[in-house]
Amino acid sequence: SQTIHQWPATLVQPVGSPLSLECTVEGTSNPNLYWYRQAAGRGLQLLFYSVGIGQISSEVPQNLSASRPQDRQFILSSKKLLLSDSGFYLCAWSGARNSPLHFGNGTRLTVT
Amino acid sequence: EDKVVQSPLSLVVHEGDTVTLNCSYEVTNFRSLLWYKQEKKAPTFLFMLTSSGIEKKSGRLSSILDKKELFSILNITATQTGDSAVYLCAVEPGNTPLVFGKGTRLSVIA
Repeated sequence: SQTIHQWPATLVQPVGSPLSLECTVEGTSNPNLYWYRQAAGRGLQLLFYSVGIGQISSEVPQNLSASRPQDRQFILSSKKLLLSDSGFYLCAWSGARNSPLHFGNGTRLTVT
Repeated sequence: EDKVVQSPLSLVVHEGDTVTLNCSYEVTNFRSLLWYKQEKKAPTFLFMLTSSGIEKKSGRLSSILDKKELFSILNITATQTGDSAVYLCAVEPGNTPLVFGKGTRLSVIA
């Protein structure tokens, strides 16, 4: 069966520090991978998605970036965090078209 | 622009009540509509709907899609405190990722 792992679960970082959140999927190959951010009262905002290694689509211009160095690994990064980057970050994967998204447990990031 | 609107934004009911959550959408090249339940962490998948008028059911939860009127409802009968969560509706447009609504926060009190 397929599983998705996302870490860390919580993170407190000072403004201006770098960020690296990692997500891996097991039990499937060539998944579509996604990074979402969830802010209170604003629903799920799609940040990046990837349909294959090295293929990244950005939905929202900001100081975050994403990379997919391996088929089942998706990384969200920032060189310098802003206060506005605080939020709940969710990684997700999906298989073939018309299959649902499956989410990781999320990372709660607080930028201080 | 693709859009998903959920109502109400929040709802408080007593155990045993029946609730109906609404989701309306405007998307190009509709493919499917999905419902998720989110408690404290990851949203968990409930239903995927692709055809009008066919009810999907799982225990006390059921959902139906109306592609003509562009909406879906999620029904929960005989609510329990464990049903308290944020319920998310999402729609899959043509060749782009899911578009999510802002969710409905359901609180079930004993």
